[in-house]
Parts: sequence; structure tokens; C-alpha cells
Amino acid sequence: DADVTQTPRNRITKTGKRIMLECSQTKGHDRMYWYRQDPGLGLRLIYYSFDVKDINKGEISDGYSVSRQAQAKFSLSLESAIPNQTALYFCATSEEDSNNEQFFGPGTRLTVL
Amino acid sequence: AQKVTQAQTEISVVEKEDVTLDCVYETRDTTYYLFWYKQPPSGELVFLIRRNSFDEQNEISGRYSWNFQKSTSSFNFTITASQVVDSAVYFCALSSNDYKLSFGAGTTVTVRA
Repeated sequence: DADVTQTPRNRITKTGKRIMLECSQTKGHDRMYWYRQDPGLGLRLIYYSFDVKDINKGEISDGYSVSRQAQAKFSLSLESAIPNQTALYFCATSEEDSNNEQFFGPGTRLTVL
Repeated sequence: AQKVTQAQTEISVVEKEDVTLDCVYETRDTTYYLFWYKQPPSGELVFLIRRNSFDEQNEISGRYSWNFQKSTSSFNFTITASQVVDSAVYFCALSSNDYKLSFGAGTTVTVRA
């Protein structure tokens, strides 16, 4: 079984809809991250969490919110989806003192029509 | 602030040719980590290598080699005797004291048979 899982893997939705992307990990890591990938821009950090009580905005947090329900779960929400949020979304985890290595989930491809 | 620049957007080669991917980074921190990731057409991110700022020793691993030069803030990656399966997007990334990964825009490598 994969260490970092994301659900759904693909989602098509309409403008204005609320969407939640979920991430679960079995690695026992405290730190979790959400990134989005757009063509030609690489991955950009949306939100990150260093433990259950810690939530921090990343580079592009506008239009997104997150919830860290447990050490193993970190959800990303789009309260009212818009077309320019169409992207590939990645969840990642890392542990403290890990030389900053992050382990990525398989990605969620989101299309907002 | 930290920044990663991958000036090459696309590289196309014929099988068995060598491919060198350029990566230039900016950071004010003295301790940092550099990474290369591969993203094949299937979309997942595959970790290739990590180097810390105190380890300038270059390395060869199979058909992959890395050239880390602090003097020029570069961390280049070479695929020797390329194969069709090497076709992918390659990302260079940097992480320092804030534990966040900053990615370059990626270089798309196409290896033709």
C-alpha cells in the first residue's frame, strides 16, 4: 500500500462548487504539505502543517483552506471553485530532522469548468 | 526568499545521447538541501537525489550524475546514454531553514527512439 494517498485521483467540477481533496499518510510524519502544479510553473506551496495544531499559509493560499484532522490526515478545500484552480494537486509529508526530504502522494487532477 | 531557475524548458534528444539539465538556485541560508525529482507521463513525482550544502562531492549513480557547485549556485543533472523511459519532466528543488520546498519550473525531456 502507498504511504501517501490522495482522494480523489481525478475530479471534474463546476464553478462555484465546494470541493475537498483528502490526503492520508501511514508514514507517521508530523509535517504535511499541499502543492499545486501548473504547466510551466512547477509546484507551488498552498498550505503546510508541522503538527496537528499548526497550520501555515504557503505561497498561494488565496481561495483555499485546509484542515488537519489528525496526524495522518490533511485536507484541502476549495470553498467556491473557479476555473483557474484547474491544476494537479500534490500532498506531501516529511518528518522533523529528515534533511527536508518530502514524500509525495500520487496527485489529484482537478478540473473546474 | 529562495528561488530555483531551470532555464531549459524543453530538451529533445535521440536515444543514447547524453542530456544535461541545468539548475541555478538562490538562497541566503548557509544550510540548505537540493533535490531532483522526475515526473513521468503518469504524473507521479519520483525522488532522484538529495544533496546538502556541505556536501559538494559529485556522484554518479548508474546513468545519472550530478554536478553541485556552490561557487556558481548550480546543481546540474546529467543522464548518460538516454533511453526512451527517461522521457519526463525533471524538477530541481531547494529547501532550507523553513523546511519548505521551492521548485523550479521544470524541464521536459523527450528521448526519441
